[in-house]
Amino acid sequence: DTAVSQTPKYLVTQMGNDKSIKCEQNLGHDTMYWYKQDSKKFLKIMFSYNNKELIINETVPNRFSPKSPDKAHLNLHINSLELGDSAVYFCASSQDIWRREGTDTQYFGPGTRLTVL
Amino acid sequence: GIQVEQSPPDLILQEGANSTLRCNFSDSVNNLQWFHQNPWGQLINLFYIPSGTKQNGRLSATTVATERYSLLYISSSQTTDSGVYFCASRSNDYKLSFGAGTTVTVRA
Repeated sequence: DTAVSQTPKYLVTQMGNDKSIKCEQNLGHDTMYWYKQDSKKFLKIMFSYNNKELIINETVPNRFSPKSPDKAHLNLHINSLELGDSAVYFCASSQDIWRREGTDTQYFGPGTRLTVL
Repeated sequence: GIQVEQSPPDLILQEGANSTLRCNFSDSVNNLQWFHQNPWGQLINLFYIPSGTKQNGRLSATTVATERYSLLYISSSQTTDSGVYFCASRSNDYKLSFGAGTTVTVRA
């Protein structure tokens, strides 16, 4: 049973294209996240939704738009892809945002490796 | 956000050796998590440890919140311990900030 799943696992595309990455969690968690891991392995949060409400929106280009149709899904749409968008994108979920100790323990998906040519 | 520094950046171990990884953070934190990213890229949560000590098999972690650091101990290392170890902490803004990681290579 996959707890946090992402599709696709690999995505190779041309500059200027629009692409989406999908994420689903079956843990019953209320909070979901998108992280970007660059070529030096540095992880940085991009967005977080809690019960379909956007609670974290880091300084990312507005070409990136998250969408949460329900609390089990958080998709990431990227418009006008650029070379610098090449990275591994991780979806994660947690029981809640930090309200009680331990409730924001992160569970990560397998990642989507995006390559922009 | 909070600044997180990890040391050492790289660590090469012989199988069976013990090691300590360190995580320093710039401000008071209410959350400290350790993760392992295996060579295939999967990120696994190891510990949620805002303070105190926890053990899980050959791994243990200690956080001294008042002194703003956390340690991860690997005992009797195995080749499957190879990968990148990240710590991450949060202050009061819901954003988890990650360190740059320690790359561990365990040689048979």
